[in-house]
Amino acid sequence: DAGVTQSPTHLIKTRGQQVTLRCSPISGHKSVSWYQQVLGQGPQFIFQYYEKEERGRGNFPDRFSARQFPNYSSELNVNALLLGDSALYLCASSKTGVDRYNEQFFGPGTRLTVL
Amino acid sequence: LAKTTQPISMDSYEGQEVNITCSHNNIATNDYITWYQQFPSQGPRFIIQGYKTKVTNEVASLFIPADRKSSTLSLPRVSLSDTAVYYCLVGDFSGGYNKLIFGAGTRLAVHP
Repeated sequence: DAGVTQSPTHLIKTRGQQVTLRCSPISGHKSVSWYQQVLGQGPQFIFQYYEKEERGRGNFPDRFSARQFPNYSSELNVNALLLGDSALYLCASSKTGVDRYNEQFFGPGTRLTVL
Repeated sequence: LAKTTQPISMDSYEGQEVNITCSHNNIATNDYITWYQQFPSQGPRFIIQGYKTKVTNEVASLFIPADRKSSTLSLPRVSLSDTAVYYCLVGDFSGGYNKLIFGAGTRLAVHP
């Protein structure tokens, strides 16, 4: 079975631009979470979606938004890019996301560079 | 804020057993302890999860004392390919959903 897939692999943008990152979860998984990982740090939670509804949001500005589609794939949008948004953006899928011991499976990430 | 504390880095040699200890003094009664492994430019990979005592799978063992305020990930006979960052996490179920709160992790370097 295919794992979590993300696109694009790499992306270069300039300050002020907008970016959309895409994620396809493992088949049968209904929950998608997004994480930002700055170089040298652990991933930081951004959003979780389950059954197309936002279940949780981390401490990120409103420039960050996301949505989940009927097929459970997801998009992360970042507006008005700042240099500090340069990071590896990770998508993780799980069966429900509402189970205390539900394993989250991560994709390979999208490397965003803001110049 | 991460609920766990673990060493920033560790060094080992091929064939040795590596034990990484994680402190989680404020773990809640219902929290599980989970370990992830991450290679450069890849997403984290689930290694093992436990609630109490000892859990073992084909990759690692997880030892959790009775007070659950710490846990130890044990990697038997490491190889060069085990060089990675290892994250210890405890569950964060506030809000009714499971989100992962990562700390800085432990950078394990395995030498020939």
